[in-house]
Amino acid sequence: GDSVTQMEGPVTLSEEAFLTINCTYTATGYPSLFWYVQYPGEGLQLLLKATKADDKGSNKGFEATYRKETTSFHLEKGSVQVSDSAVYFCALPSLNNAGNMLTFGGGTRLMVKP
Amino acid sequence: KAGVTQTPRYLIKTRGQQVTLSCSPISGHRSVSWYQQTPGQGLQFLFEYFSETQRNKGNFPGRFSGRQFSNSRSEMNVSTLELGDSALYLCASSTGTGNGEAFFGQGTRLTVV
Repeated sequence: GDSVTQMEGPVTLSEEAFLTINCTYTATGYPSLFWYVQYPGEGLQLLLKATKADDKGSNKGFEATYRKETTSFHLEKGSVQVSDSAVYFCALPSLNNAGNMLTFGGGTRLMVKP
Repeated sequence: KAGVTQTPRYLIKTRGQQVTLSCSPISGHRSVSWYQQTPGQGLQFLFEYFSETQRNKGNFPGRFSGRQFSNSRSEMNVSTLELGDSALYLCASSTGTGNGEAFFGQGTRLTVV
């Protein structure tokens, strides 16, 4: 079945540091890929997406490129801020049925210190 | 455009009781999915409803059930609550077609004591 693997956290960085959160996936076909972010006490917000191979999704300074050859969708940001402290989830939709089901990675907690 | 609304935000129930959670999706969205989030198991898919029909179901016991109304609002019910049911329950709204993109509510935090 489909699966998503993320690097374990927590990831602790100083403000303005470079961020990479690794995500690899196993899936049938070539699904869209998503990054969601969850701030403390909140639900999940869609951060960015890519719908086909070699697409780059970007939002709020975050970027991720859909790499078919390495089945990866790593999240990057050039300069993190304290406000980026949150849990980040990589996800893909299931294409094995007619429905709408997301498979999530385990989540990576990011803590940014001033 | 209003987002996904989940009510209530917080609930405290006693073991053995039952609970009903509600989700109002984004206007025009016909698919509502439910997820359980716990520190140990992460985000797990419960079920999806599309046009009032359950279209997908995750690996949860029959105590977990749901339904969807003609206006796409959905309810999730958990009967005979167990301590392990304590979790954040998230509802996701989508068109039900296309690339699978989903929009989440803020969740209902259920605590079973």
